[in-house]
This record gives sequence, C-alpha cells and structure tokens, in this order.
Amino acid sequence: NAGVTQTPKFQVLKTGQSMTLQCAQDMNHNSMYWYRQDPGMGLRLIYYSASEGTTDKGEVPNGYNVSRLNKREFSLRLESAAPSQTSVYFCASSESYRGTNGYTFGSGTRLTVV
Amino acid sequence: QQQVKQSPQSLIVQKGGISIINCAYENTAFDYFPWYQQFPGKGPALLIAIRPDVSEKKEGRFTISFNKSAKQFSLHIMDSQPGDSATYFCAATDYKLSFGAGTTVTVRA
Repeated sequence: NAGVTQTPKFQVLKTGQSMTLQCAQDMNHNSMYWYRQDPGMGLRLIYYSASEGTTDKGEVPNGYNVSRLNKREFSLRLESAAPSQTSVYFCASSESYRGTNGYTFGSGTRLTVV
Repeated sequence: QQQVKQSPQSLIVQKGGISIINCAYENTAFDYFPWYQQFPGKGPALLIAIRPDVSEKKEGRFTISFNKSAKQFSLHIMDSQPGDSATYFCAATDYKLSFGAGTTVTVRA
C-alpha cells in the first residue's frame, strides 16, 4: 500500500545547483500537487496538475517548474536553487482536482539550500 | 495572503481536556472544508471534513462546527489524548485546497 512516494527524503544543495524532486502515486488519481511547508506559513501550493497533460501555477510558483510525466508521476524541478527554497516539500494526489475525497500526501522531502 | 486564517498557532491541553482550533475564510466560493492531521516527519492526512450545508459533523472524539454566516469553522477534540499531539490544518476548496497556517497541539499526560 505505497500511496504517494517521494524521493529523495533529504537533500542539501548549494546555491545555484539544480535538482528534481520525484513523486509517484499508485492510486490511479487524476490530480497531483506540489506544496511547500514552512513554519508559520502552513502548506502553500507551488504547482498542480488537474489531470494528465495539464499543469498550472499555484500560489508560489517562482523558481520552480513541473512535469506531469504520466498519470502516476509528477516531478518538481528547481533550476537554480536559492536559500529561500529551503523547505519541506510535499507531493499529494486526489481523485479529482477539487479534492473532495481528500488528498493523499507523501512523506515529504526536506530540502536545505546553503 | 492566506485565504484561510487559523488560530491559535499552538495550544497545550491536559489529557482528557478539550482542544479547540478556529478558522475563518472570506471566499464564499469555498464549498468543502476538511481538516488534516500531521505527525512529525509525516505528510498531512485527512481527519474529517464538512460541507457548508451542515452545521456540525462528529467523528469519534473529533467534531467540526461550521457557521456559514460568520464564515468560520472550528475543530473540537474531546477527551484529548497524548496520541492526538500533532499539527492540525484547516483547509477550504473552491477548485483546489487552500490551507491554514496550522496549529500544533500538545496533550500533556
């Protein structure tokens, strides 16, 4: 019962480096999301994919890009990492983009940019 | 700015006590209001949810109260247990979820 799998779990980057966070779900969900979690800020939506083949910006998209590779996989790329991108990143999925059956979250990627 | 405002930021309650977390929103297009529970090192998980045509929903020791006219809703944790110690997020959706800032609940044994 994997649910939503995120890799890696931890990462340290130097300023200016790039990396891709991977996310895969095995629940045949249509919609997938990337959030970042910062103390006192809650969860803020970076990008989402309402269905396979579509992606849209969320609240805080600057500095990020995404790819909905297929129905299962949704990756988040940092092209040139900055210290402000130090955060915990969560991927989530849901049956529909409205999420009224709940979102299933992965266990997160803790990213530190030095 | 956050579309859902949550308070308090943290609270401490004795075992057996009641924990109350409040949320407020402005967007009248929101039509689904879930609460998520997050334990350290884990992702949030859906706890309980309510629609605005219902004023109260109870699941075990967890109750959501909803006041549509005031655009407020709250989570009550009755008979709080140490295992309830976690961060709780309220949320609301029109076509995607917006989360509150979170409340860290600590239940003292």
